[in-house]
Amino acid sequence: DGGITQSPKYLFRKEGQNVTLSCEQNLNHDAMYWYRQDPGQGLRLIYYSQIVNDFQKGDIAEGYSVSREKKESFPLTVTSAQKNPTAFYLCASTSYGQGGSPLHFGNGTRLTVT
Amino acid sequence: AQKITQTQPGMFVQEKEAVTLDCTYDTSDQSYGLFWYKQPSSGEMIFLIYQGSYDEQNATEGRYSLNFQKARKSANLVISASQLGDSAMYFCAMRVFSSNTGKLIFGQGTTLQVKP
Repeated sequence: DGGITQSPKYLFRKEGQNVTLSCEQNLNHDAMYWYRQDPGQGLRLIYYSQIVNDFQKGDIAEGYSVSREKKESFPLTVTSAQKNPTAFYLCASTSYGQGGSPLHFGNGTRLTVT
Repeated sequence: AQKITQTQPGMFVQEKEAVTLDCTYDTSDQSYGLFWYKQPSSGEMIFLIYQGSYDEQNATEGRYSLNFQKARKSANLVISASQLGDSAMYFCAMRVFSSNTGKLIFGQGTTLQVKP
């Protein structure tokens, strides 16, 4: 079955460490997105990529970095510069990102930094 | 500024009754789309329904319908015949086509609890 796989489901890190969240899709989608969700809040866009080897900052990109070396993969690195990294991270993709094409989401990674 | 507002943090509904979840949006663009997603406690985001700004008919998908009032900039989700499995968080989102990014702007969400 086609879909988006995020791993791991839960991630624990010490403050000051960088951590990379994995996102892989086999839907042959061109566009991929990373969102952050805090308790009781909506989703906020961190980074997105519409084509391999290109990506753009979203609304809250500070303290994060991404790469898009393959169409299927869009990993997110949470750096030590991110002041409040503890959150639920969702990766999404869509076929052409226009009109009514919905975003398809992975099951998320819950990151806890202590 | 482009924004989605969901003013109901939490809602209760009796099983088998209908419920309306409110969503208002703000954009100066004429071409946009509105989406509703369901997020159960497991965290996955499930796409429910879509309405384009030029669609004249309100969108329907099974028990879900979208009450689209363009002049009021509202896109309320109506769930008919509520089921216990409908208990979840619901998000309204908007895509502005002129941005050509495909990104969705989300509201804060509404938590719905269905009572047996």
